[in-house]
Amino acid sequence: AQSVTQPDIHITVSEGASLELRCNYSYGATPYLFWYVQSPGQGLQLLLKYFSGDTLVQGIKGFEAEFKRSQSSFNLRKPSVHWSDAAEYFCAVGNTGGFKTIFGAGTRLFVKA
Amino acid sequence: DTEVTQTPKHLVMGMTNKKSLKCEQHMGHRAMYWYKQKAKKPPELMFVYSYEKLSINESVPSRFSPECPNSSLLNLHLHALQPEDSALYLCASSGPGNYGYTFGSGTRLTVV
Repeated sequence: AQSVTQPDIHITVSEGASLELRCNYSYGATPYLFWYVQSPGQGLQLLLKYFSGDTLVQGIKGFEAEFKRSQSSFNLRKPSVHWSDAAEYFCAVGNTGGFKTIFGAGTRLFVKA
Repeated sequence: DTEVTQTPKHLVMGMTNKKSLKCEQHMGHRAMYWYKQKAKKPPELMFVYSYEKLSINESVPSRFSPECPNSSLLNLHLHALQPEDSALYLCASSGPGNYGYTFGSGTRLTVV
């Protein structure tokens, strides 16, 4: 069965510091992988996605993620965090060509001045 | 237009009321979704419409009734809800193949 694990419930980083949010997935075939961001009281916004090809994918707002099949991971990174990046981040895996997307529990990012 | 618009943004209803949530997109997406999100939890899939036909119902109680009048509109009709149904209800849409969703900003529902 598909599953997504985000090991960190919350992370605090200083503004200007680098960020890495962890995501591990379980899926029988090549997964469709996503990162979404949600600000308080808002909907989710797609940051980036991976389907195939280059394992390092670039997204919006300066985020990138790297797919590592051997580690079943899809970690999200940003070289320099801004205060506006404080939000909830969800990793998700989708079934190929289908309509179901499984979301991880989320990681809440706090940014300190 | 790259948005999914949900109305109303906030809704308070009694347990005997009937209300509807509305969702609209003009991106030509043919798949539309309803998700329910409780505080500090990830979204949970409720319904999926594909080409205006119900494709997935995740065993949602019948007090929630979805409707897709056309390819741009998605409704969620609510009747006899319980306080535990209070949540953020999110609408989303996607193109073919599940290449990522565009979400609306949600309706914050409170059942009293």
